[in-house]
Amino acid sequence: QVQLQESGPGLVKPSGSLSLTCAVSGGSISSSNWWSWVRQPPGKGLEWIGEIYNSGSTNYNPSLKSRVTISVDKSKNQFSLKLSSVTAADTAVYYCARFIGYPLYYFDYWGQGTLVTVSS
Amino acid sequence: QTVVTQEPSLTVSPGGTVTLTCASSTGAVTSGYYPNWFQQKPGQAPRALIYSTSNKHSWTPARFSGSLLGGKAALTLSGVQPEDEAEYYCLLYYGGAHYVFGTGTKVTVL
Repeated sequence: QVQLQESGPGLVKPSGSLSLTCAVSGGSISSSNWWSWVRQPPGKGLEWIGEIYNSGSTNYNPSLKSRVTISVDKSKNQFSLKLSSVTAADTAVYYCARFIGYPLYYFDYWGQGTLVTVSS
Repeated sequence: QTVVTQEPSLTVSPGGTVTLTCASSTGAVTSGYYPNWFQQKPGQAPRALIYSTSNKHSWTPARFSGSLLGGKAALTLSGVQPEDEAEYYCLLYYGGAHYVFGTGTKVTVL
């Protein structure tokens, strides 16, 4: 069974950058899947951030596209998220998840999530 | 901006049946939106329940089912158990890697 685990700083200063890593175990990040990031502000709903394929191809939420970079490290079987110019509105629990694309389009395995707070 | 709307809250009695819906601001939801449904309990990550309208994951209890109903995606819980009390989210795929989660429905078992 595939397992995902997020890691990274829990506190980021305003105007700084948020960096998180998702380690994948029980499966290869080089498999034919998309690897995604989703976030959830405290007490609010889910928001899709973006995704990366093992080739390095990426797709981003248009509302975040100018600030988001997702990358993959096949040697470490992990992928990463960087969000720049953060504000308090970026405070959220950040989840990584596996997404199966065409022809069924679904998320299946999720990490437990990590809370990132933007504050000085 | 695309908005996916769900009922804010629903209450159901143990053993009862409840249907949650998922509507798109762009119009009727069809199978081409590949509706997904997730369950989330407090302090936990979302858990995938349904994909591509009505397909269940290997871990999805039989009492959960998905369908299309009146131009919306729907999730029906039959024979509700106390442990089904949770927030439920739908997800629609709009093509071109454009995924939008619904606003969420809080289901209370009372």
